[in-house]
Amino acid sequence: DSGVTQTPKHLITATGQRVTLRCSPRSGDLSVYWYQQSLDQGLQFLIQYYNGEERAKGNILERFSAQQFPDLHSELNLSSLELGDSALYFCASSVGGVPTDTQYFGPGTRLTVL
Amino acid sequence: DAKTTQPNSMESNEEEPVHLPCNHSTISGTDYIHWYRQLPSQGPEYVIHGLTSNVNNRMASLAIAEDRKSSTLILHRATLRDAAVYYCILRGTTSGTYKYIFGTGTRLKVLA
Repeated sequence: DSGVTQTPKHLITATGQRVTLRCSPRSGDLSVYWYQQSLDQGLQFLIQYYNGEERAKGNILERFSAQQFPDLHSELNLSSLELGDSALYFCASSVGGVPTDTQYFGPGTRLTVL
Repeated sequence: DAKTTQPNSMESNEEEPVHLPCNHSTISGTDYIHWYRQLPSQGPEYVIHGLTSNVNNRMASLAIAEDRKSSTLILHRATLRDAAVYYCILRGTTSGTYKYIFGTGTRLKVLA
């Protein structure tokens, strides 16, 4: 158990819908990262927040957005969902927000878009 | 952006050493080399990282080439529990922005 929690574990929805994925980082960690893992593209970094501020951006689509709240939990919002958005979404956390940090990954949320 | 290249899969016998290679020929001077592994049905977990020198920890060793264009993760005695996908990742900054680039990973199969 990494100490990072993600809810829900599974999510099934239809094309065009909007969903919110939630992540609670390990106690004491200030940085949160979101990744998408699909069969054809592997693990893709989406976005990083540090203490409420966006710190790094990867291959995140404009239909996706994220935020980190004052209690440090984070939410990833996915809108206008397409079939290709079906994937595992992982959240990770780290103490600081620099590249040398060890990232601790949650168990993931499996999103299925029908 | 700098990328990493890894073999798709490798096999090893239990209790034998395993050398997992990673090519990162376009690595920049500030990039750290990280290795994570992903066990079945789990999120990735940290294994080891380094910048220029070889590194050891209780899980593995990391050998980094002198020109930093390649590295090798060494598991000294593979166990069945080590069967996983191993990712070689570059972490650094580009134009002041942090980057986290995963490779395609090597699926390690450990034979009993």
